[in-house]
Amino acid sequence: GNSVTQMEGPVTLSEEAFLTINCTYTATGYPSLFWYVQYPGEGLQLLLKATKADDKGSNKGFEATYRKETTSFHLEKGSVQVSDSAVYFCALKEARGGADGLTFGKGTHLIIQP
Amino acid sequence: GAGVSQSPSNKVTEKGKDVELRCDPISGHTALYWYRQSLGQGLEFLIYFQGNSAPDKSGLPSDRFSAERTGGSVSTLTIQRTQQEDSAVYLCASSFTGGGWETQYFGPGTRLLVL
Repeated sequence: GNSVTQMEGPVTLSEEAFLTINCTYTATGYPSLFWYVQYPGEGLQLLLKATKADDKGSNKGFEATYRKETTSFHLEKGSVQVSDSAVYFCALKEARGGADGLTFGKGTHLIIQP
Repeated sequence: GAGVSQSPSNKVTEKGKDVELRCDPISGHTALYWYRQSLGQGLEFLIYFQGNSAPDKSGLPSDRFSAERTGGSVSTLTIQRTQQEDSAVYLCASSFTGGGWETQYFGPGTRLLVL
């Protein structure tokens, strides 16, 4: 079956530090890959996505590249802010259709200190 | 436009009681998903609807769980004879057609506590 593995944290960084959150996946087909974010007290929202190999998703200074050869979709940001403190979830979905939902990693709790 | 809404936002119930959770998806979205978020299990996919039809119910945790969708819109997730292990946040999401590449938009969730 499908699975997503990501570092669970908490990850604590200082403001303006470089961020990498690793995500690797196992899938039977050709999935789309997603990063969702959950800010304190808020619901899950899409941060970025990539739908095929070598695609780069980007949003709010965050980037992730779909690497089929390493089955990875690592999230990066060059300079984090306190407002980036949240839980980040890597997820995949098979491209064949909607018969199954998103498969999520366990989530990475990111804490940015001023 | 309005996002995905869920009700109630919080529900406290006694073990053995039945509960009904409601999801109202984004207007025009034909695909609807239920997930459960708990400390021990993370985010689990429960069931998917395309229109009013759920092609695969195997993700539901037990036969105490059931879900339906009517009119291609509102969905309800029913848990019968609740157990303490059912305590979790139940999330609903919708997307336009259910394609694998589509963004799923999540509701705020219903936080269920079974005493």
